[in-house]
Amino acid sequence: KAGVTQTPRYLIKTRGQQVTLSCSPISGHRSVSWYQQTPGQGLQFLFEYFSETQRNKGNFPGRFSGRQFSNSRSEMNVSTLELGDSALYLCASSLDRDRGEKLFFGSGTQLSVL
Amino acid sequence: KNQVEQSPQSLIILEGKNCTLQCNYTVSPFSNLRWYKQDTGRGPVSLTIMTFSENTKSNGRYTATLDADTKQSSLHITASQLSDSASYICVVSNTGGFKTIFGAGTRLFVKA
Repeated sequence: KAGVTQTPRYLIKTRGQQVTLSCSPISGHRSVSWYQQTPGQGLQFLFEYFSETQRNKGNFPGRFSGRQFSNSRSEMNVSTLELGDSALYLCASSLDRDRGEKLFFGSGTQLSVL
Repeated sequence: KNQVEQSPQSLIILEGKNCTLQCNYTVSPFSNLRWYKQDTGRGPVSLTIMTFSENTKSNGRYTATLDADTKQSSLHITASQLSDSASYICVVSNTGGFKTIFGAGTRLFVKA
């Protein structure tokens, strides 16, 4: 079956702009979680959606937001971009992340803020 | 506090050699522990899952061990190959608070 699809693969924005990233999970998976990864750093958890509800949230400012649609597809939005937001953004789908189900990651969106 | 600590932070080995990566956790109550491999610029991929009753599990040249008493896990890579160069991430799940905690990862470099 198809894997996790993230679009776009690469994105270049300037400071102050906003951006929306998309994640299509594996069919049947209701949990979608988002992560930020900067060079040399571990995965930083942003938030997780389960059945259209935000169930968990990491320690990121309110400029980072997300949503999940009825078909489990998820979007992440970052407003008022800062240089420090340049990172690889990964989403992962699973049957249920917080019950320890395996996470299936997409290839990520590489965001560059100039 | 639920935490996952990995060591070493980075490691350089010669092709063909073995290596062992460590993961210590304080997550409780324990549900399971997974090791993921992340190639540069890609998303992590699951290698193994360890549950409370399991001590050892292998996936090809990768062998994971778990000591639930000391709350330690290791990932042993045998006869390393250049393609093993990646970050290895330990992820522990907690049944009580329904949380999944990520370690910071170990960056492995395999040199020819």
